[in-house]
Amino acid sequence: AQKVTQAQTEISVVEKEDVTLDCVYETRDTTYYLFWYKQPPSGELVFLIRRNSFDEQNEISGRYSWNFQKSTSSFNFTITASQVVDSAVYFCALRSSNTGKLIFGQGTTLQVKP
Amino acid sequence: DGGITQSPKYLFRKEGQNVTLSCEQNLNHDAMYWYRQDPGQGLRLIYYSQIVNDFQKGDIAEGYSVSREKKESFPLTVTSAQKNPTAFYLCASRLVGEGRPYNEQFFGPGTRLTVL
Repeated sequence: AQKVTQAQTEISVVEKEDVTLDCVYETRDTTYYLFWYKQPPSGELVFLIRRNSFDEQNEISGRYSWNFQKSTSSFNFTITASQVVDSAVYFCALRSSNTGKLIFGQGTTLQVKP
Repeated sequence: DGGITQSPKYLFRKEGQNVTLSCEQNLNHDAMYWYRQDPGQGLRLIYYSQIVNDFQKGDIAEGYSVSREKKESFPLTVTSAQKNPTAFYLCASRLVGEGRPYNEQFFGPGTRLTVL
């Protein structure tokens, strides 16, 4: 069975703090893809990053960074120097290798206070 | 501009009425998806279609129906058989094929359906 777990339901930080959102996944596929999406209050999901199972390089994009570790089946997301505009619900997702179906975690609500 | 359009953004219906949610994309994407989101929960897949005139049930298809007569359109009908239809509905599309940049699903703005 495929499953994505985001154990943190809600996180609240003060602006400029660093924050890490955890994501743990389960799959028997040897090839798979992991994603992070951001859902601001408007509701639309915004794609942030995709990671292939055969590429464990960590990635940094501005204040965002992602740590992919196959050994622990984790794909964590860190926001450095958080800003109020980062407040949103963040979803981690796992893609089935054949159908393109995404299995979503429950989401983590991040609140960044000024 | 290319993108995914869902209309309307807010929809109200009386209990027992069928209602159709629109999803249109001009990205020339092959696959299209419908998700349901309930408060505090992740997205759950209702139906998906990888080519025109073909679609498959997702995890929670009961009480819903779809059609895919055109590549750019994938309407979702919420029938009276759906017991708890009030939710936020998101449509997505994806360009099929392995390798970048084809794997991401792109999402529309969503339709918030309230059944009174």
